[in-house]
Amino acid sequence: DAGVIQSPRHEVTEMGQEVTLRCKPISGHNSLFWYRQTMMRGLELLIYFNNNVPIDDSGMPEDRFSAKMPNASFSTLKIQPSEPRDSAVYFCASSSGLSYYEQYFGPGTRLTVT
Amino acid sequence: QKEVEQNSGPLSVPEGAIASLNCTYSDRGSQSFFWYRQYSGKSPELIMSIYSNGDQEDGRFTAQLNKASQYVSLLIRDSQPSDSATYLCAPGLDTGRRALTFGSGTRLQVQP
Repeated sequence: DAGVIQSPRHEVTEMGQEVTLRCKPISGHNSLFWYRQTMMRGLELLIYFNNNVPIDDSGMPEDRFSAKMPNASFSTLKIQPSEPRDSAVYFCASSSGLSYYEQYFGPGTRLTVT
Repeated sequence: QKEVEQNSGPLSVPEGAIASLNCTYSDRGSQSFFWYRQYSGKSPELIMSIYSNGDQEDGRFTAQLNKASQYVSLLIRDSQPSDSATYLCAPGLDTGRRALTFGSGTRLQVQP
């Protein structure tokens, strides 16, 4: 099994640019989570989807962040415009309906905004 | 009060010793608890789940839950240098909400 796939693995961009992070969950998993991890704030939930529907986006920092899940095998997290304080590692995770707390994480995207 | 509190460490133990990692949580509605391990530069991975008071054992790992005290711990017996990582605690609610709130993690260093 391929596991959760994220791309790109590293992204360096300039302030003000649009950034799009991508995630392919494990086949058959119906819950998908976007997390952000920084030294200061730890691992924090941004948004999660259940059956492609956004359920809780209360962790999205502000309107510059948006996430979509057009189908069961693909999700995007977009930041527009990006700011230096958005620099972090962004993880995507997925889980199945039977054990939704047992989440499988992707390798993460390390974002650096200069 | 934070939802989940963990000592950030580092917790340093010699190889072969028992490492004890602790976590307290504020929400009495938490019904299940999960320990994730994160190696430096890698993503978190689930290593233990516990759903009821008492102990849950899996190999060298034992999770202990005390709901009355709102306390959960992870014991690692015969610690190995390969156990050196950050351990994240996360309680789950029995409300259907599928998201986890992670603690800040405890960094464990096992000295060879």
